[in-house]
Amino acid sequence: EPEVTQTPSHQVTQMGQEVILRCVPISNHLYFYWYRQILGQKVEFLVSFYNNEISEKSEIFDDQFSVERPDGSNFTLKIRSTKLEDSAMYFCASRELAGDEYFGPGTRLTVT
Amino acid sequence: GEDVEQSLFLSVREGDSSVINCTYTDSSSTYLYWYKQEPGAGLQLLTYIFSNMDMKQDQRLTVLLNKKDKHLSLRIADTQTGDSAIYFCAESIGPGNTGKLIFGQGTTLQVKP
Repeated sequence: EPEVTQTPSHQVTQMGQEVILRCVPISNHLYFYWYRQILGQKVEFLVSFYNNEISEKSEIFDDQFSVERPDGSNFTLKIRSTKLEDSAMYFCASRELAGDEYFGPGTRLTVT
Repeated sequence: GEDVEQSLFLSVREGDSSVINCTYTDSSSTYLYWYKQEPGAGLQLLTYIFSNMDMKQDQRLTVLLNKKDKHLSLRIADTQTGDSAIYFCAESIGPGNTGKLIFGQGTTLQVKP
């Protein structure tokens, strides 16, 4: 069964450093999403991406964040200058034109 | 505004039924979902219901939707220890089924042998 994959599973970085989280969505899916879950809190929507552009973003998704689909398979989330409060589990998700949203296993980001 | 609320914790004995409840605020929700998260793992889609349905059954899972009260529930029949996990209710916001998901805070289900 096709699945969303994410790398790395755990990323440790120092405050102020840039990180890139990578996702490979399911191949025939058209919508792509990033969510995050701070430990013990709700899963929060960050950004949605369709047709090579951002279709919606939340207040959390400020100028420090960017997304890219550099080729036909990868979908990346970049945080330019990480802060302690960016420590969270980051989930990538994808869906078909009108279908269910499937999540990857997540990348745990720890900012020290 | 968009908000989804769940009770935080439920404990049941193996073999009993579990009922996890959820309330939401956005009346424009088109689809409502239940996801399961096991420790250290990602979000596994369990089931969903379209907003014009009242009930959906899928093996041991029954989803009930009261659109008037904006209340969603997930019933797990014959709960097993392997069902122990966090269960998230989520509503799909946006046109059709292409919008973002708004999640509740998750209900931790503890199944005692």
